[in-house]
Amino acid sequence: SQKIEQNSEALNIQEGKTATLTCNYTNYSPAYLQWYRQDPGRGPVFLLLIRENEKEKRKERLKVTFDTTLKQSLFHITASQPADSATYLCAPEEERSYIPTFGRGTSLIVHP
Amino acid sequence: DAGVIQSPRHEVTEMGQEVTLRCKPISGHDYLFWYRQTMMRGLELLIYFNNNVPIDDSGMPEDRFSAKMPNASFSTLKIQPSEPRDSAVYFCASSLRGPMGTDTQYFGPGTRLTVL
Repeated sequence: SQKIEQNSEALNIQEGKTATLTCNYTNYSPAYLQWYRQDPGRGPVFLLLIRENEKEKRKERLKVTFDTTLKQSLFHITASQPADSATYLCAPEEERSYIPTFGRGTSLIVHP
Repeated sequence: DAGVIQSPRHEVTEMGQEVTLRCKPISGHDYLFWYRQTMMRGLELLIYFNNNVPIDDSGMPEDRFSAKMPNASFSTLKIQPSEPRDSAVYFCASSLRGPMGTDTQYFGPGTRLTVL
């Protein structure tokens, strides 16, 4: 069966360090992969989308990689700030499905 | 645009009662999604519509759940009768199919449902 795995344990890092979150998937062949941020009491907010033919995508302090051989996407936040503390969800999407499937998310806590 | 609007934000009801959740998608979006989020199961897709037509309701847990979209600016999710295990946060999201076929979803603030 299809499975999306994100670390269930919270990631704790110090302000200024780079946070790296992992999304692994099995029995999927996603053409796209999206990352969302969710704050407590709010709905997820779209951050980045990367296509299968793109190895890396950047947006300000955010960087996403997509390795279809390893079936993995990495999400990096450089120079992390306490305001980056949130839950981050990955959502792979198969070609022509047009519907992303969400992972359960990883909680990031950035300590000042 | 005000974004996706959901009401009510919080709902507390007793087991057996009917619950109706409401959603107004972003104007111009052609897809609407209903999700349920719990600690145990994460974010689950219940049903989605394209141009007001239900496309896939395979995520609807059982016949107690029903969803409608009478027009492009309004959708409802109804639970009748409600049970304590329905307690969760229910999100509505909308999207516009992009030129590359990708969907960026815009979520509402959610409705926190508690069934006693």
